[in-house]
Amino acid sequence: QKEVEQDPGPLSVPEGAIVSLNCTYSNSAFQYFMWYRQYSRKGPELLMYTYSSGNKEDGRFTAQVDKSSKYISLFIRDSQPSDSATYLCSLSGGYNKLIFGAGTRLAVHP
Amino acid sequence: EAGVTQFPSHSVIEKGQTVTLRCDPISGHDNLYWYRRVMGKEIKFLLHFVKESKQDESGMPNNRFLAERTGGTYSTLKVQPAELEDSGVYFCASSPPWGSGELFFGEGSRLTVL
Repeated sequence: QKEVEQDPGPLSVPEGAIVSLNCTYSNSAFQYFMWYRQYSRKGPELLMYTYSSGNKEDGRFTAQVDKSSKYISLFIRDSQPSDSATYLCSLSGGYNKLIFGAGTRLAVHP
Repeated sequence: EAGVTQFPSHSVIEKGQTVTLRCDPISGHDNLYWYRRVMGKEIKFLLHFVKESKQDESGMPNNRFLAERTGGTYSTLKVQPAELEDSGVYFCASSPPWGSGELFFGEGSRLTVL
């Protein structure tokens, strides 16, 4: 069983839609939860970072962590074509060694 | 400020040959990491340097891979001899010494072994 499960998609939505991306994990030792965004032929860039259960909001993005269910989510409101990318959930027991999900490919069409 | 830079961006070699990938981290970042993504798989951790010392190399797949970070600045990752299954994208990342939790990734070096 993989440590982190993430549906690879692809996910195609119209501009303005609310997007929900999810990951489940098996190791309760994970303490840090991150979402990275990766554009084609680029490296991952950190989008959201959270430590505890609950919600964290940053503009159109909301990260949600439920440690009891081992479930993390990223919501994108009012999605834009520029949001088209691969979204990677990433977990860590410490700062340094990240465990990545497979990544979900998102396409937002005008 | 320059980001993490990696060279080459793409390398095509034959099985059995040697390839050396280079990473220049962001200036002042003591932490340097190598990750890789092979076809159809997740990005996986290879190793972590703190300055010139290997902090964690638990992800290195076998002894055909050798990573160095001379003087705590740039790092190289050598694959010798390369095998077909080594094909993928090798990412380097760095983070500052105070451990913000954010890793800054380079654009990756794509390795194709024929």
